[in-house]
Amino acid sequence: GNSVTQMEGPVTLSEEAFLTINCTYTATGYPSLFWYVQYPGEGLQLLLKATKADDKGSNKGFEATYRKETTSFHLEKGSVQVSDSAVYFCALSDQGGSEKLVFGKGTKLTVNP
Amino acid sequence: DSGVTQTPKHLITATGQRVTLRCSPRSGDLSVYWYQQSLDQGLQFLIQYYNGEERAKGNILERFSAQQFPDLHSELNLSSLELGDSALYFCASSEEGQGYSPLHFGNGTRLTVT
Repeated sequence: GNSVTQMEGPVTLSEEAFLTINCTYTATGYPSLFWYVQYPGEGLQLLLKATKADDKGSNKGFEATYRKETTSFHLEKGSVQVSDSAVYFCALSDQGGSEKLVFGKGTKLTVNP
Repeated sequence: DSGVTQTPKHLITATGQRVTLRCSPRSGDLSVYWYQQSLDQGLQFLIQYYNGEERAKGNILERFSAQQFPDLHSELNLSSLELGDSALYFCASSEEGQGYSPLHFGNGTRLTVT
């Protein structure tokens, strides 16, 4: 079945540091890939998405590129802020028919001033 | 604000009891999804409804059931509760029953079973 594996956290960085959160997936067909973010006490929010190979999703300084050859969708940001502290979830959706999102376990990011 | 409303925010109940969680989707969204979030299992998809009909089923226990009403709100019923059912239950909605439409999540209902 479909699955998503993302790097275990927690990740602690200083403000303005470079962020990478690794995500790899296993899927049949050609899934769409997503990063969702969950701020404390809130539900998940879509951060960015990519629907086909080599697409780059970007939002709020975050970006991720859909790499079919390595089945990866790593999240990056060049300079993190304290306000980026949250839990980040990588997810996939199988466009072949299944309409549910499969999530990774989440990576908690803490950014210190 | 995602536009998805979940009630109640918190629920504390005893083992063996039954509870109902309610979700009002974003205006115009026809699909409702239920997810369970726990520390050990992460986010687990439970069930999806589209315009009143069950569309997809995930790791939902037989003790759990859900429905979507004509006004598109949804309820998740959890019965014969066990300690292990303690978790955050999220509802999400999307415009169509398509997996690539963004899901909009509510803030969740935190269930504690004692």
